[in-house]
Amino acid sequence: QVQFVQSGAEVKKPGASVKVSCKASGYTFTSHTIHWVRQAPGQRLEWLGWISAGNGHTKYSQRFQGRVTLTRDTSASTAYMELSSLTSEDTAVYYCARESLGGSSIYWGQGTLVTVSS
Amino acid sequence: QSVLTQPPSVSGAPGQRVTISCTGSSSNIGANYDVHWYQQLPGTAPKLLIYVNTNRPSGVPDRFSGSKSGTSASLAITGLQAEDEADYYCQSYDSSLSGYVFGTGTKVTVL
Repeated sequence: QVQFVQSGAEVKKPGASVKVSCKASGYTFTSHTIHWVRQAPGQRLEWLGWISAGNGHTKYSQRFQGRVTLTRDTSASTAYMELSSLTSEDTAVYYCARESLGGSSIYWGQGTLVTVSS
Repeated sequence: QSVLTQPPSVSGAPGQRVTISCTGSSSNIGANYDVHWYQQLPGTAPKLLIYVNTNRPSGVPDRFSGSKSGTSASLAITGLQAEDEADYYCQSYDSSLSGYVFGTGTKVTVL
């Protein structure tokens, strides 16, 4: 079955960077695009961007352009999201999700809590 | 940057029908981009309920249905059950932002 396992919770200081991993299994990794979505405490879902696992092409939300970098390692079937210049407003649960039906996402990782605190 | 607006909350008694609206604009829903709906229980990842406006993934009860018209979309839940108490989000693509957007979210309460 399709499954995504994300890396564990992180605590970072303001100004630092964080890199979250998302390991895929149960399907051909290079056949699908991976999206990254975050959710701050009590807030709505927010789209960060996507990466084509096949050719590595990326598209970032204008809001995070220049601060977020999406990469992937096809040999490890793993996608990565790196966010730099962290502030307390970046405290959130970060999810990876596989694009499937018409641009929706039916398969999601379990989420990774990133806490930014001095 | 909330370009898809949903009511903050809706409620209903068990067995009743509730609807959640998702109001967009000419750069997203009105531009004929597809709308998807997710259910999120506390502390869990979102679950896809409706994709491409009206379609249910395998395993989603037919109590859930989606529709789209003009610059808006709606999710209907018929025969409301206690287990439907959750947050619901719509999602679409926005051409002016050149990216995907989620709605503001709606909390469904079963009375």
